[in-house]
Amino acid sequence: DQQVKQNSPSLSVQEGRISILNCDYTNSMFDYFLWYKKYPAEGPTFLISISSIKDKNEDGRFTVFLNKSAKHLSLHIVPSQPGDSAVYFCAAVVGGSQGNLIFGKGTKLSVKP
Amino acid sequence: DTAVSQTPKYLVTQMGNDKSIKCEQNLGHDTMYWYKQDSKKFLKIMFSYNNKELIINETVPNRFSPKSPDKAHLNLHINSLELGDSAVYFCASSLRGGNQETQYFGPGTRLLVL
Repeated sequence: DQQVKQNSPSLSVQEGRISILNCDYTNSMFDYFLWYKKYPAEGPTFLISISSIKDKNEDGRFTVFLNKSAKHLSLHIVPSQPGDSAVYFCAAVVGGSQGNLIFGKGTKLSVKP
Repeated sequence: DTAVSQTPKYLVTQMGNDKSIKCEQNLGHDTMYWYKQDSKKFLKIMFSYNNKELIINETVPNRFSPKSPDKAHLNLHINSLELGDSAVYFCASSLRGGNQETQYFGPGTRLLVL
């Protein structure tokens, strides 16, 4: 029973264009969401997060949008760069929990030069 | 200056053996975690410790026993290894273990049980 779903296993984008990675969740108790980036043979690296009281958070080329009514969040990367090629994991935390991150299965992003 | 380190990076062993994976963080964090990434690529939490105390213990076989000698270390000992234990194990840490904190991950330990 996946509480966090990333339905696109892969995404290919041209360098300079926008990459949009999507994530859906089912648990309405989630109140904090994170995106992690993972290169092969490395651990996940924190990218950006958003609290459920916000609908947008921006950090440089990365923006996360949260639509609570649709239980959907997305990560926008613009402009995309070849170095952004990695697996992106969406993760969520239940409010009041002890930091138990629930991860999606990941989306592999390939940015073509 | 590695923040979260794990040893070994690779571990190949026979079924039935007992093995340990070590994790250390130099971030001064109070909380450490173990995650398992299985063959289907799902990352799932196994345990978390806050200041050497067990906080989260998901449904994990009791062959898995975490040990925290101090708040900078959280080791994972696995008894009687089974084929299904083959996975990548990630250690992570966060400042206090609050639910709106960033967790920082180690590079992972790739365990293969033959």
